[in-house]
Amino acid sequence: AQRVTQPEKLLSVFKGAPVELKCNYSYSGSPELFWYVQYSRQRLQLLLRHISRESIKGFTADLNKGETSFHLKKPFAQEEDSAMYYCALSGLIQGAQKLVFGQGTRLTINP
Amino acid sequence: DSGVTQTPKHLITATGQRVTLRCSPRSGDLSVYWYQQSLDQGLQFLIQYYNGEERAKGNILERFSAQQFPDLHSELNLSSLELGDSALYFCASSVEYLPTGELFFGEGSRLTVL
Repeated sequence: AQRVTQPEKLLSVFKGAPVELKCNYSYSGSPELFWYVQYSRQRLQLLLRHISRESIKGFTADLNKGETSFHLKKPFAQEEDSAMYYCALSGLIQGAQKLVFGQGTRLTINP
Repeated sequence: DSGVTQTPKHLITATGQRVTLRCSPRSGDLSVYWYQQSLDQGLQFLIQYYNGEERAKGNILERFSAQQFPDLHSELNLSSLELGDSALYFCASSVEYLPTGELFFGEGSRLTVL
């Protein structure tokens, strides 16, 4: 079955430390992958997508088709990075193109 | 605010009842998506409409239905409510036909079934 797995529900790191939020997917084809973020009292919003290959707010994510992963990384965490992060996959699922999300990881950056 | 708006923000009702959640997409967006977020679950895709037509369906229960009107707003109808239907229901919109671009989310409607 096509799905997105975020193995960590909670992740806590210290300010200035590297951050890696894991995302693994199961999909028989070439998916499009995204990271969405929800900051406190804000709406869920797109952070980045794999086709853009860009760095947003210092975050990058590389699609690894061999490991079927799309981990989100940042070399030096900042307190304002504390948020809920969702990995999402857009692909052909049960006959229609759909955007499906993982369960999310709550990232807390400690001062 | 020309973003996605959802009403009501909060709703408390009893089992067996029926409720309607409403969503107005961003100006110019033709696609509307509905997602359900329950405790311990991520965002579960329910259904997508594009310009008034149903385009894709997820794990939407038969007790649930939705539609998109000519003015592009959408409604999600939940009937014969059960305790397990308590959740945050998100609406999102986009300009594209397929969900391959950015989705813009509303603030959600929190439904509590007692």
